[in-house]
Amino acid sequence: AQKITQTQPGMFVQEKEAVTLDCTYDTSDPSYGLFWYKQPSSGEMIFLIYQGSYDQQNATEGRYSLNFQKARKSANLVISASQLGDSAMYFCAMREGRGETSGSRLTFGEGTQLTVNP
Amino acid sequence: KAGVTQTPRYLIKTRGQQVTLSCSPISGHRSVSWYQQTPGQGLQFLFEYFSETQRNKGNFPGRFSGRQFSNSRSEMNVSTLELGDSALYLCASSFVRQGAYNEQFFGPGTRLTVL
Repeated sequence: AQKITQTQPGMFVQEKEAVTLDCTYDTSDPSYGLFWYKQPSSGEMIFLIYQGSYDQQNATEGRYSLNFQKARKSANLVISASQLGDSAMYFCAMREGRGETSGSRLTFGEGTQLTVNP
Repeated sequence: KAGVTQTPRYLIKTRGQQVTLSCSPISGHRSVSWYQQTPGQGLQFLFEYFSETQRNKGNFPGRFSGRQFSNSRSEMNVSTLELGDSALYLCASSFVRQGAYNEQFFGPGTRLTVL
């Protein structure tokens, strides 16, 4: 069963505007972590932001914030003030369990290709 | 601190051959995971090694194997290559400590082409 769903294959945004990339997940484990990665055309995966299942507040990292709605099982990434360099593929990923005991295995969504227009 | 390094970056092989890919994690990281990325299947987990032991394994045939050395460097091997093994192979390392979210840091990947 698909555990991470990203329903937007492609998104377009104007430079300096905000954009939201959608991610829904499915798990029966009460302990899990949600990650967002950026993959430019070079191929390297760049870690952006993390949200733990027990975190009370939404995670933020600079221009990135995570809109975590636990009851809806969604973890949308919000990028504020988009820049041309933000054009890339974005992946949502989940790790079930606590990383130090259950391992670091990530399940990825299919990704969203973001294009920032000048 | 140096990032995750992978060698080689590009590789061309023919069907039936075998290949070995190498990954050096960030200094101090003891967990190394491998992923395969293809246009059709997306990103799929291969296996994870922690302190020289395989801790998790994805749903791949036995042709895919790996190991980790005492310095945490890891290798993955694919035997009897098939056309469908053409992919970007990504290695990721993680520190793994209690109470933290243990994010994985990825290397630049090895792009394998099987002819």
